[in-house]
Amino acid sequence: GAGVSQSPSNKVTEKGKDVELRCDPISGHTALYWYRQRLGQGLEFLIYFQGNSAPDKSGLPSDRFSAERTGESVSTLTIQRTQQEDSAVYLCASSTSGTVNTEAFFGQGTRLTVV
Amino acid sequence: KNEVEQSPQNLTAQEGEFITINCSYSVGISALHWLQQHPGGGIVSLFMLSSGKKKHGRLIATINIQEKHSSLHITASHPRDSAVYICAVRDNNAGNMLTFGGGTRLMVKP
Repeated sequence: GAGVSQSPSNKVTEKGKDVELRCDPISGHTALYWYRQRLGQGLEFLIYFQGNSAPDKSGLPSDRFSAERTGESVSTLTIQRTQQEDSAVYLCASSTSGTVNTEAFFGQGTRLTVV
Repeated sequence: KNEVEQSPQNLTAQEGEFITINCSYSVGISALHWLQQHPGGGIVSLFMLSSGKKKHGRLIATINIQEKHSSLHITASHPRDSAVYICAVRDNNAGNMLTFGGGTRLMVKP
C-alpha cells in the first residue's frame, strides 16, 4: 500500500476485554512507532521498533499493554483487561530508519472506546 | 512545565490571513517535526527541521536552535487549512522518542 494502514479504524469494547490493534507500515520502513492520543490531550509515545533490535517499551503505561512486530512487517498492539482510561486514538507511524533525521509517516489511527 | 510548548492553543483567522504558530522547547533536540492533524484524526507530517528554514507550498517552517524556538507560517490561509498543528521534538536524551506539544487548533473562516 501507499501509506501506513491501521485496523480496525474504530473499536468499541467492554471493560475487561482484551483488544488487538494492527499496523501495516510502509514497505521497507524498518522503524515503527505506536502513539496514543486521549480525548483532549496530546500525543503520547508508547513503543518503538527498529529492525530486529529489542523494542523501546519505555512509553507503555502499564503491563496490560504489549506490542509485537515480526521482522519489518506488521505490528500488533495488545491491550489486556481494558479499562475506560484506555479509550483513545492509537496511532502508528513508520519511517525508513530509526535515525533522528528521518521523517515519520502516520496511519489514520484506531479509535478505541472502552465502555 | 512541559518540554514542548505551543502558542496559541486556539486560533481563528479569516481566509487569506497570514498565520503564525509558535513552538518553544526546553531540551536539547536533534530534530523538530511539524504535524497536521485533520478533524477525522489522521496525522500528516508537514516538516522535519534540524536547522534553518523549509518551505512547501504556502507553508513555511523555521527553527532557531540557539533560542529553542520554531515557527510554522501559513500564507494566504484557506478554510481547508483548518486543523490541529502539532510540534514534536526528538530529545537528544530520549533516544528516538518524540515529545509532542499540546497542539494549536486553527480554524480559518471563509
